[in-house]
Amino acid sequence: AQSVSQHNHHVILSEAASLELGCNYSYGGTVNLFWYVQYPGQHLQLLLKYFSGDPLVKGIKGFEAEFIKSKFSFNLRKPSVQWSDTAEYFCAVNGSSGYQKVTFGTGTKLQVIP
Amino acid sequence: DGGITQSPKYLFRKEGQNVTLSCEQNLNHDAMYWYRQDPGQGLRLIYYSQIVNDFQKGDIAEGYSVSREKKESFPLTVTSAQKNPTAFYLCATRTENTGELFFGEGSRLTVL
Repeated sequence: AQSVSQHNHHVILSEAASLELGCNYSYGGTVNLFWYVQYPGQHLQLLLKYFSGDPLVKGIKGFEAEFIKSKFSFNLRKPSVQWSDTAEYFCAVNGSSGYQKVTFGTGTKLQVIP
Repeated sequence: DGGITQSPKYLFRKEGQNVTLSCEQNLNHDAMYWYRQDPGQGLRLIYYSQIVNDFQKGDIAEGYSVSREKKESFPLTVTSAQKNPTAFYLCATRTENTGELFFGEGSRLTVL
C-alpha cells in the first residue's frame, strides 16, 4: 500500500526565513511525486512534480524539491519565504504504472509572519 | 469555460439519508478522483476511475458509492452507512501527460 507522511503539521516563519517541509513516502515501485498548495479560499494547485531525471526539481514561485530515493523523501524548500506563501502544502505520490491511485499526505500549514 | 464543476457547493442532510454529489468535467481527462478533506487529515481518497465504466476503491470507500457512465461525469453517493459523512468533498481529474490533478471547488456536506 502506498502512503505519504508529512511530519510538520504547522510551521510558523518570519518573512525571508528559509523553508523546508518534510515528505516521506512508502511505495514498492517507481513513483511520481508532487507538491500541491492550497492558498486560503482557493483551489489546490500544483507547485511542482517529479517523474524521472534530475532529482532536484523547480516549481512555481521559487519553490524546489529534492527526491532522495534512498530516503524515500521529497522535501520541499524555498530559500526565502514571503507573506504570500501562507498556505497549506500537500505532498502526494502515485505509482508510475498501473492504476493511477494518487495518495496525499496530511498537509502542512505554513504561516508567514510579516 | 473549461474545468471541473461540483454541485452543490453546500448541502445539509438529515442522518440516514443518501446524498449524491455531482462532478462534471469538460477537460477531456480520462481519470477522475473523489477525495474527502478533513482538518488535520489532509486529502483521503474515496474512489477513483481511470476510464468509463471502471472505478477503484480508494482508502476510505466504505459508505460511499460511485458510477462512471460517461467520461464527463463521476457522481459520488454518500450513503447512510457512512458513519461520519460531514466533510468537504473534492473532485479531481488527472491529465495523462503530466500527471497533474485539477480540482473542483468542492462540496461541503453537513449531516444534521
